[in-house]
Amino acid sequence: EVQLVESGGGLVQPGGSLRLSCAASGFTFSSYWMHWVRQAPGKGLVWVSRINSDGSTTNYADSVKGRFTISRDNAKNTLYLQMNSLRADDTAVFYCARDLYGDYYFDCWGQGTLVTVSS
Amino acid sequence: DIQLTQSPSFLSASVGDRVTITCRASQGISSYLAWYQQKPGKAPQLLIYAASTLQSGVSSRFSGSGSGTEFTLTISSLQPEDFATYSCQQVHSYPWTFGQGTKVEIK
Repeated sequence: EVQLVESGGGLVQPGGSLRLSCAASGFTFSSYWMHWVRQAPGKGLVWVSRINSDGSTTNYADSVKGRFTISRDNAKNTLYLQMNSLRADDTAVFYCARDLYGDYYFDCWGQGTLVTVSS
Repeated sequence: DIQLTQSPSFLSASVGDRVTITCRASQGISSYLAWYQQKPGKAPQLLIYAASTLQSGVSSRFSGSGSGTEFTLTISSLQPEDFATYSCQQVHSYPWTFGQGTKVEIK
């Protein structure tokens, strides 16, 4: 069974840092591009970042560029999101998602991990 | 960035109803559009991609159509498990953006 499991969310003060992880199983992780998507409470989905299959290419939404870093460890079947300089408007559920065919459609999602930025 | 506007934002319907949700793009996106279903507290699920291709395992009562700037998601006969929020996503241009969502509730 294809599965993505996020972890690492929690409460952090403004200006703080957090690293999210997404453990993949049930498929050949190293063959797929991966993404992070977030959803603020009661709001819509917002794409955050993407990384290609070997980790050599990354992209970010303007709102997180320079503060967030996406990475992956294909040997550990794990995707990461390092989040620095966190702000209150970063508060959201963060989902990792698998890219269907490298076409940016997301065919498998984790259950999400909640990040709350508050003093 | 390409803006996606869904209508309606909220829809009240009965089991067995035919339901149509519209997604309009701020500029032409060819057929580079997906539809997702999301239930409360759960992750989104891909229903349709490339505007009209049904994702594997998704019920055939879901269908998608459109190209350019106007797209529709149709549920042919609403079932109890279909009450959820539906969102469109464009993958024509970076950054990939989503619509604000349409919540389908029981009448």
